[in-house]
Amino acid sequence: AQSVTQPDIHITVSEGASLELRCNYSYGATPYLFWYVQSPGQGLQLLLKYFSGDTLVQGIKGFEAEFKRSQSSFNLRKPSVHWSDAAEYFCAVAPSGNTGKLIFGQGTTLQVKP
Amino acid sequence: GAGVSQSPSNKVTEKGKDVELRCDPISGHTALYWYRQRLGQGLEFLIYFQGNSAPDKSGLPSDRFSAERTGESVSTLTIQRTQQEDSAVYLCASSAGRGQGSRYEQYFGPGTRLTVT
Repeated sequence: AQSVTQPDIHITVSEGASLELRCNYSYGATPYLFWYVQSPGQGLQLLLKYFSGDTLVQGIKGFEAEFKRSQSSFNLRKPSVHWSDAAEYFCAVAPSGNTGKLIFGQGTTLQVKP
Repeated sequence: GAGVSQSPSNKVTEKGKDVELRCDPISGHTALYWYRQRLGQGLEFLIYFQGNSAPDKSGLPSDRFSAERTGESVSTLTIQRTQQEDSAVYLCASSAGRGQGSRYEQYFGPGTRLTVT
C-alpha cells in the first residue's frame, strides 16, 4: 500500500542551527512530492514540491528538499533555523496520474530553542 | 475570496447528532478536497470534486459521511449520527485543477474542529 513515513515525531533544534526533516515514501513509481507546514492556528502552507527534473528543489522561507530515488526519500532541509520556523511539518505524496489527492505522513513537530 | 474559508471554526455536538461543515474555495478553483486530521495524526483524504465530474469518494470512512458541491463553489461535508471517533479537524483545500502540476498545488483552509461529546 502507498504510504509516507516521517520517522521523527518531534525534533528540537537551536536557533541558527541547521535542520533536516526526514520523509520516506512507499510507492512503485516516482510520485509527486510535497512538504507542507502547519503553524499553530493556521492552515497548511505549501513549502515546496517536486514533480520531475532537478532533484534539489527550493521552496519558500529558505527551505529546500532533495529527492533521492534510490532511498525513496524526500528530506527537507534548512541551513539556519529561525524561531518562527517552529511548527508542524508534513510530507505528502501524490501518486502520479491520479486525481490529485495527497497522502500525508504523520508529521514532525519542530521546536526551536533560543 | 483571498483564500479558502471554512465554517464553523469550531463545532461541539452530541453523539448521534448530524453536523454540516462548509467550505468556500478560492474563486476560480475547480478542484476541491476534504481531509480529516485526527489529533497527532497526518491528514486523511476524504473526498475530491473536480468540475462537473463524479466526485472521488474513495476516502469516506463510512456511509454516515457525505459531501456535496454546488458547481465550482461552496461545498458541504455532512456527518450523520456522529460518533466520538469523528472528533477531528476537518480541512478543506482547493486547487486550480487543470494541468499536470496545478491540481496538486492545494491551498488549505483553517479547518473546522469538530468535537463529539
